[in-house]
Amino acid sequence: GDQVKQSPSALSLQEGTNSALRCNFSIATTTVQWFLQNPRGSLMNLFYLVPGTKENGRLKSTFNSKESYSTLHIRDAQLEDSGTYFCAADNNNAPRFGAGTKLTVKP
Amino acid sequence: GGIITQTPKFLIGQEGQKLTLKCQQNFNHDTMYWYRQDSGKGLRLIYYSITENDLQKGDLSEGYDASREKKSSFSLTVTSAQKNEMAVFLCASRTDTNTGQLYFGEGSKLTVL
Repeated sequence: GDQVKQSPSALSLQEGTNSALRCNFSIATTTVQWFLQNPRGSLMNLFYLVPGTKENGRLKSTFNSKESYSTLHIRDAQLEDSGTYFCAADNNNAPRFGAGTKLTVKP
Repeated sequence: GGIITQTPKFLIGQEGQKLTLKCQQNFNHDTMYWYRQDSGKGLRLIYYSITENDLQKGDLSEGYDASREKKSSFSLTVTSAQKNEMAVFLCASRTDTNTGQLYFGEGSKLTVL
C-alpha cells in the first residue's frame, strides 16, 4: 500500500477562504517536507519539519510523529496558491512522496 | 545559494534505446536523488547516492542504472526505453542522508517514440 497518503486528491477554493491538506504516513517518519509544484513543474520548498509546527505568512504546517500525520493549513487563499501540493516523509533513508493535492483557487 | 542543473531538459528516444540524464549541483551536498514523476502523479524514488561512488536502490530501480562520478554530479541511465517511459525525471540533493531539506532541479522530460 501507499506509504504516504495525501488527502484530498483535489480541492477547489474560493479566493480568501481557508483550508487544510493532510498527509498520513505508514512508514516511520522523522521529518516531513511540503512542496508546491507550479504548472511548469518546478518544485518549491514550503516547509521542512521535525515534530512540531511552523508558520510562514498565510501557511502553517504541523507534523505529529506520534500519530503519523502532517497537515498544511492555507489561510486567505490567493490565486497564486494554485498548484499541486506534495508532502514527503523522511525515514532517515530517502524521502517518499505522496500523490499530491491539486489545489485550484478561484476568484 | 546554489543550483541544480539537469541536462537535457527534453529528451526524445526510440523504444529500446539506452538514454542518459545528467544532474549537477553546486551546493556541495553529500546526498543526491533521482525521482520519476508520471503525468498527474507523485514522485517515485529510483536511485540515490549518499556520497561519491555510492549507489542505493530506490523503489523503482529496475530498468535503470545510476552513476555518482563525483560529489557534484549524478547520472541516471534508462537501460532500454519503453513506450510507457514518458515521464519527467527530477534530480534532488541535500546536505546528507538524514537531515536537511531537499532541493530540486527543473526536471528532464523523456518522450519515447
